[in-house]
Formats: sequence, structure tokens, C-alpha cells
Amino acid sequence: DSGVTQTPKHLITATGQRVTLRCSPRSGDLSVYWYQQSLDQGLQFLIQYYNGEERAKGNILERFSAQQFPDLHSELNLSSLELGDSALYFCASSVVAGGADTQYFGPGTRLTVL
Amino acid sequence: AQSVAQPEDQVKVAEGNPLTVKCTYSVSGNPYLFWYVQYPNRGLQFLLKYITGDNLVKGSYGFEAEFNKSQTSFHLKKPSALVSDSALYFCAVVDGSSNTGKLIFGQGTTLQVKP
Repeated sequence: DSGVTQTPKHLITATGQRVTLRCSPRSGDLSVYWYQQSLDQGLQFLIQYYNGEERAKGNILERFSAQQFPDLHSELNLSSLELGDSALYFCASSVVAGGADTQYFGPGTRLTVL
Repeated sequence: AQSVAQPEDQVKVAEGNPLTVKCTYSVSGNPYLFWYVQYPNRGLQFLLKYITGDNLVKGSYGFEAEFNKSQTSFHLKKPSALVSDSALYFCAVVDGSSNTGKLIFGQGTTLQVKP
């Protein structure tokens, strides 16, 4: 158990809908990352937050948004869902924002868009 | 552009034999290199990392990796494979010149250890 929690574990929804994925980092970690894992794209970095502020952005669609709250948990919002958004979404956390720090991953949320 | 390549989709070894999972990288600054393992329906588990210093890095479960700057490689090794090592392995890099933790992953290598 990495100490990173993600809810829900599974999410099944329809095209055009909006969903929210939640992540709680390890105790003491200030940085939260979101990654998407799909068969065709592999593991891709979406976005990083550090202590409530956006730190880095990757290949995140405009339909997707995220935030980190004062208690350091984070939410990833996916809207106008398409079939291609079906994937495993991972959250990871680390103590600091820099790249030398190890990121610990949560178990993921499997999103299925029908 | 930053990138990671894992040239083998699958590696098969017999239990008790040594294993190697290959990884090469490309970054503009100094690389921070990581290996993660993913078991079915599980998240990624951290194995080891190279930041600086000794080129041979030892990690969890008896795994080690060797950083080779001239060949831009970071191959994962284990002297004696176990059936329980069968899983999907990811190499990843962070560009040390950036001030972020953006991990760039390889496409993954499936390791199959046969009894």
C-alpha cells in the first residue's frame, strides 16, 4: 500500500457526461500528479500540483481540469466524455515538486465510457 | 524532446536465471531515472531510482539497475528471477533541468518468468 488513495475504483458512464476523480496524497506529501494509462497512448503525464498551485502541464485535454485543495487532496474533472477517454487514471504524490523525489502511485480509477 | 524507449515488449526467462529489462532515454538536462513495476489490476510500485552518484543502483526485491551515461541507458537487472517477478515494468525519466516532477514513461516491458 503506497498510502495514496483514489476514489472511485471503477467508473462507468456515457459519452457526453462529466465525472470527478478524487485523490488523497500520502501524509506529508505536497505534490500531486495525474497520469492516464491507455492501451494506445501508454502512460502519459497530465498535470502536477504543488501545495495548491499548478506546477506543470502535460498532454491534458481542454475538456479536463484539475485542482488541489487546501487539505492537499486533488480532483480531476473530465467533461464531455468521449469513448477514447476510457482509461486508467492514476494519481501519484511526492514530498516536493522537483523531479528527484520519488512519486508514489495510487491504485488508479478505471474509467469506462460507453 | 524527452523520451524513453523500452525496446522489448516482452522478456521471457526461466526461474533462477538472471534477467535484464532494457531502457534507453533522451533528455536535454541531467536525467533522473526510475523503474516501476505494475501487477495486474494494481497501481505502479516504485522499484529504484538514479539521481546522481554510483552508477549501480540497488532497489526493492533484489532488483538493481546500471546507469550508463555514454549509452544513455538504465537497464534493470536481477541475478536470479522468481516466478513472482512476472509483471509489467516501466522505465521513466525526469529532466533534471526542469523544476517539475513530470515523469516520461517508456511503453513498458512484460516480464514472464517460467517455472
